[in-house]
Amino acid sequence: QAQLVQSGAEVKKPGASVKVSCRPSGNTFGDFYIHWVRQAPGQGLEWVGWINPKTGGSNSGQKFQGRVTMTRDLSISTVYMELKRLTSDDTAVYYCTRDYSEPGHPQYFDQWGQGTVVTVSS
Amino acid sequence: DIQMTQSPSSLSASVGDRVTITCRASQSINNYLNWYQQKPGKAPNVLIYAASRLQGGVPSRFSGSGSGTDFSLTISSVQPEDFATYYCQQSYSGRYTFGQGTKLEIK
Repeated sequence: QAQLVQSGAEVKKPGASVKVSCRPSGNTFGDFYIHWVRQAPGQGLEWVGWINPKTGGSNSGQKFQGRVTMTRDLSISTVYMELKRLTSDDTAVYYCTRDYSEPGHPQYFDQWGQGTVVTVSS
Repeated sequence: DIQMTQSPSSLSASVGDRVTITCRASQSINNYLNWYQQKPGKAPNVLIYAASRLQGGVPSRFSGSGSGTDFSLTISSVQPEDFATYYCQQSYSGRYTFGQGTKLEIK
């Protein structure tokens, strides 16, 4: 089962915004960066960005800069990804995933949410 | 952003075959290269991290190699449950990127 729990499916009109939530299970909130990855229907994986839950710092891919905002709520151990000015090209499954590393080794994604389907349609 | 180029984009194999998928980075990423398997309707699952380290619970028929810009994932003897799509991903830069994927199909 998913170790990160995401919010449910969304249907939005072009030009609107969507906000997806992700809550890691256990007591490790703040210990690991959370990344967002999306997958359009029949397409590959596309990295969106990351948030450091401890500090709130974030970064995103060039194509999303200015349109994506990642935030967190420490009181409920939840992170959010908001994407603005939606177009039909944003129709995709959005995953949150945990960035983990063994001591002295590079990072990789070891836990994933169940995915949130975002549909943009007029 | 660092570009990751996988080849081939699709691959047909029979059970028992040995298959290799390659991944090339647009600049050196040392060993900051991971491989994921994804089955339809499911989230990806890490197979190999740090270019050659096998994730716990992953069968030993999977192996990874490479460093710098050129990497490969090898399945020594393909099993029925291995038919899926495979992605490489770099974690070297602050902006991660994935390869476009390789779909492994039954011949």
